[in-house]
Amino acid sequence: IVLTQSPGSLSLSPGERATLSCRASQTVNSNYLAWYQQKPGQAPRLLIYGAFSRATGIPDRFSGSGSGTDFTLTISRLEPEDFAVYYCQQYGSSPYTFGQGTKLEIK
Amino acid sequence: QVALKESGPALVKPTQTLTLTCTFSGFSLSTSGMRVSWIRQPPGKALEWLARIDWDDDKFYSTSLKTRLTISKDTSKNQVVLTLTNVDPVDTATYYCVRMARREDYFDYWGQGTLVTVSS
Repeated sequence: IVLTQSPGSLSLSPGERATLSCRASQTVNSNYLAWYQQKPGQAPRLLIYGAFSRATGIPDRFSGSGSGTDFTLTISRLEPEDFAVYYCQQYGSSPYTFGQGTKLEIK
Repeated sequence: QVALKESGPALVKPTQTLTLTCTFSGFSLSTSGMRVSWIRQPPGKALEWLARIDWDDDKFYSTSLKTRLTISKDTSKNQVVLTLTNVDPVDTATYYCVRMARREDYFDYWGQGTLVTVSS
């Protein structure tokens, strides 16, 4: 399954709302879709699994939604530490695949 | 607490075999449901899943790299080993060892990664 993320980059200010999209080439089984955050020089960190469940310790400003082939990660009010690259990943079908990432930049 | 750490050569010559070791703590790969994967990321590019090994020694590989990859485990040492044969400069990447959630196939704990450069 090919995952296409949009936009490729997004320039916003702290306090604004960010909406990131992930579209799958086929239906993601059981909505097995995860989101990860990656900061420069660091490993990715799990944010969301099962399309909308927040991982342990993830602030509630992060929320996931969607089903089938269209999924969204929303950050309700951006904090300075949220500027990073975000990846979606599907794990409903083998092999697991990742999107190409959305870079969230400070405006 | 769960921790994973990758180790291996930083530089490998083309056509050689790359061997990476993941040493982990905070869980056991002999526990039912536990799985560990390897994922790589070329500089400035996206993530690519490579291989997975399960608590019962089941193994799964990326379709495109299946013929070149081998994953194994040493439960007594809490280690997982990945080998990649016949490396090429396109294999230059940061390689991550990652634990998988027990009931679903997402990646919940990541190692810090190790950068491997393939160059003569």
